[in-house]
Amino acid sequence: RKEVEQDPGPFNVPEGATVAFNCTYSNSASQSFFWYRQDCRKEPKLLMSVYSSGNEDGRFTAQLNRASQYISLLIRDSKLSDSATYLCVVNMANDYKLSFGAGTTVTVRA
Amino acid sequence: SAVISQKPSRDICQRGTSLTIQCQVDSQVTMMFWYRQQPGQSLTLIATANQGSEATYESGFVIDKFPISRPNLTFSTLTVSNMSPEDSSIYLCSVRGDYNEQFFGPGTRLTVL
Repeated sequence: RKEVEQDPGPFNVPEGATVAFNCTYSNSASQSFFWYRQDCRKEPKLLMSVYSSGNEDGRFTAQLNRASQYISLLIRDSKLSDSATYLCVVNMANDYKLSFGAGTTVTVRA
Repeated sequence: SAVISQKPSRDICQRGTSLTIQCQVDSQVTMMFWYRQQPGQSLTLIATANQGSEATYESGFVIDKFPISRPNLTFSTLTVSNMSPEDSSIYLCSVRGDYNEQFFGPGTRLTVL
């Protein structure tokens, strides 16, 4: 079983729509959680960290469910510029290594 | 976050040759990481490079194939040796942030013919 699993999508949504997707992780000792955004032919960039209480950054909301071992990302009022691959990234306690999901592709159409 | 640069940004190489990729950070960092991202796939950690010690390689990666240097706290190199077409990939360096996140360089796109 992969350490981090994501629905690859693609999620094709119109501008202004809300899109949400999840990521599951296998190791219950995981401690830190992140969403990264990767544009085509670019490096991954940190979108947001995911906190236990859930957190919001503008149109982006991240949630963590430790009991079911998943995290989610919700994008409200989608913009064309939100089109990208979103990587779910998990870090175990006492370990500097990151485990990456394969990514969820989101395409926002006009 | 740190500003990270990589050289070259891309290269096309012949089978059997070697390529050295440079990673420069604008601040001193203890840990630097080297990743590979093959087409259509996510990132795979190759090794962790600490200044003043041997790099630590992940399963499936060996020093003879991917020698790494870390001469100081702002610089590292990764060499891809005796290349084959299967080494065609994007190679990324990264540094660790304050909360276990990592920040990535722009990547080196390698094509091996």
